[in-house]
Amino acid sequence: QQQVKQSPQSLIVQKGGISIINCAYENTAFDYFPWYQQFPGKGPALLIAIRPDVSEKKEGRFTISFNKSAKQFSLHIMDSQPGDSATYFCAARPAVRGGKLIFGQGTELSVKP
Amino acid sequence: GAVVSQHPSRVICKSGTSVKIECRSLDFQATTMFWYRQFPKQSLMLMATSNEGSKATYEQGVEKDKFLINHASLTLSTLTVTSAHPEDSSFYICSARDLPGRPQHFGDGTRLSIL
Repeated sequence: QQQVKQSPQSLIVQKGGISIINCAYENTAFDYFPWYQQFPGKGPALLIAIRPDVSEKKEGRFTISFNKSAKQFSLHIMDSQPGDSATYFCAARPAVRGGKLIFGQGTELSVKP
Repeated sequence: GAVVSQHPSRVICKSGTSVKIECRSLDFQATTMFWYRQFPKQSLMLMATSNEGSKATYEQGVEKDKFLINHASLTLSTLTVTSAHPEDSSFYICSARDLPGRPQHFGDGTRLSIL
């Protein structure tokens, strides 16, 4: 119940295309859903995050779509660029004090020029 | 803002030695710091959580005598891998947050290689 399932494991997109990464969870106590971007040899960097009281959040080319009833959320990268090539992790955290981030398995995105 | 600095970025040492990794929050006070381990092409595995001035809380299966964590100030936490062996070789990443419920910010990791 503590798992966050992420798919696909890897993704190849052409420059200018839309990259879509999906995550699903079971624990309804989760109330914070961030996405992290990680380049090789670096730590994850917070990209965008959403709470379950909204269904969508957009920051530049990055959009999170959130479906509370389905317990799913996704990251959309519009106009994907080669510089977006990285590993993306979704995560979820319960509302309880001291709640820990639960990470998805990661998606390795490659954007071809 | 919200910069977490981790040092060293890479360390290679002989089996049996102890290695200390530092994690500093540069522009905020980190009441809570987290230590993760990441194997190639895998997700982040939480090792332990430390609150400033308190003993660290270790995840199941993580040896607290092997991985010593100190969080003595609001800007510094250290992870010491004691008597390191080749199986301890991994990418260690720290993260920090100022308050419960706030975002976690990650350091750039330390690549530890034990020969």
